[in-house]
Amino acid sequence: AQRVTQPEKLLSVFKGAPVELKCNYSYSGSPELFWYVQYSRQRLQLLLRHISRESIKGFTADLNKGETSFHLKKPFAQEEDSAMYYCALSGGRGTGFQKLVFGTGTRLLVSP
Amino acid sequence: EPEVTQTPSHQVTQMGQEVILRCVPISNHLYFYWYRQILGQKVEFLVSFYNNEISEKSEIFDDQFSVERPDGSNFTLKIRSTKLEDSAMYFCASNRVRSQETQYFGPGTRLLVL
Repeated sequence: AQRVTQPEKLLSVFKGAPVELKCNYSYSGSPELFWYVQYSRQRLQLLLRHISRESIKGFTADLNKGETSFHLKKPFAQEEDSAMYYCALSGGRGTGFQKLVFGTGTRLLVSP
Repeated sequence: EPEVTQTPSHQVTQMGQEVILRCVPISNHLYFYWYRQILGQKVEFLVSFYNNEISEKSEIFDDQFSVERPDGSNFTLKIRSTKLEDSAMYFCASNRVRSQETQYFGPGTRLLVL
């Protein structure tokens, strides 16, 4: 069965501190991994996906197949990063597994 | 930039009533999805829809639920006889190509069943 685990419900840091939001997954094949973000009163929006290997708003995430993890990192948190972050997976190309399976989310709170 | 839209933003209904939640996906997208999020819980997949038929559905998506694309733009989720436990935020999403493509989400409809 597919599963995404985000162990922290809340992560509270000070502005300028490093941030790591943890995500572990369970999937029998090679999944596609995503981080979605939801700012207050806004829709879910894609932050980044592992296949594109890019940095968005200073965030990066590396897929570690050995540890089945896709942790989200930022070296210096900003107040505007405060939001709900969801890790999600779907199947790889050709699998027919197209739905997104979400973790429970981590609320990041960045204080001044 | 085109966005997925959903109406209404909020809906309150009585248990046993039918509700229809509406979504307008991004115009060149071909795959459509409904997800829901019960307060305090994770976002859960309900159903995916492609080429005018359901391509996948979850255990949650029982006979009380149905989806339809009645015209070229709208994508609807109908709950025939609502239950208290159907109270949730319902999100519509769409993408152009399955699997690896990003799914774009609507703002959600908050459904409250009394």
